[in-house]
Amino acid sequence: SQTIHQWPATLVQPVGSPLSLECTVEGTSNPNLYWYRQAAGRGLQLLFYSVGIGQISSEVPQNLSASRPQDRQFILSSKKLLLSDSGFYLCAWSPTGTGTTGSQYFGPGTRLLVL
Amino acid sequence: GENVEQHPSTLSVQEGDSAVIKCTYSDSASNYFPWYKQELGKGPQLIIDIRSNVGEKKDQRIAVTLNKTAKHFSLHITETQPEDSAVYFCAATSAWSSASKIIFGSGTRLSIRP
Repeated sequence: SQTIHQWPATLVQPVGSPLSLECTVEGTSNPNLYWYRQAAGRGLQLLFYSVGIGQISSEVPQNLSASRPQDRQFILSSKKLLLSDSGFYLCAWSPTGTGTTGSQYFGPGTRLLVL
Repeated sequence: GENVEQHPSTLSVQEGDSAVIKCTYSDSASNYFPWYKQELGKGPQLIIDIRSNVGEKKDQRIAVTLNKTAKHFSLHITETQPEDSAVYFCAATSAWSSASKIIFGSGTRLSIRP
């Protein structure tokens, strides 16, 4: 079966510090990968998605970036965090190939607090 | 662009009663409609989904209905229990899309009163 991991689970960082969040998927090949952000009590905002290694699409302009160095690894980064970057970051994957429905499966999330 | 509206934003029901959450979508090309349940501090979990060639789907106490003509779909939870308390998100997507970008509703916070 497929599993998705995110770490760290929680993170407290000062303003201006760098960020690296990691997501890995097991049990599948060539998944589509996604990064979402969720503000407290709010909905899901798509930040980035990737359909393959090195292929990143950005949905919103911001000081965050994403990379996909391996097929099942997705990394969210920032060189200098802002207060507004605080939130709950969710990684998700969706299967590819014929017969897939488009459903996405989410990881446990990383709660980021920027002080 | 594609938009999914979800109502109500909050819902409180007595334990044992039914809960209904409604969504509308704008893109007529949407053909797959998943529902997610998010418990506090966790990632959303897919609980049920429906494709556009089906009008209704049921899984134990939860059911989804789809009206393609009206572009409406709904989640029905019967015999609600305390563990049903969570935030529920509806979503719509076109399964043919290579990136499977899902458009989510804004969420419904469901509270079950004992």
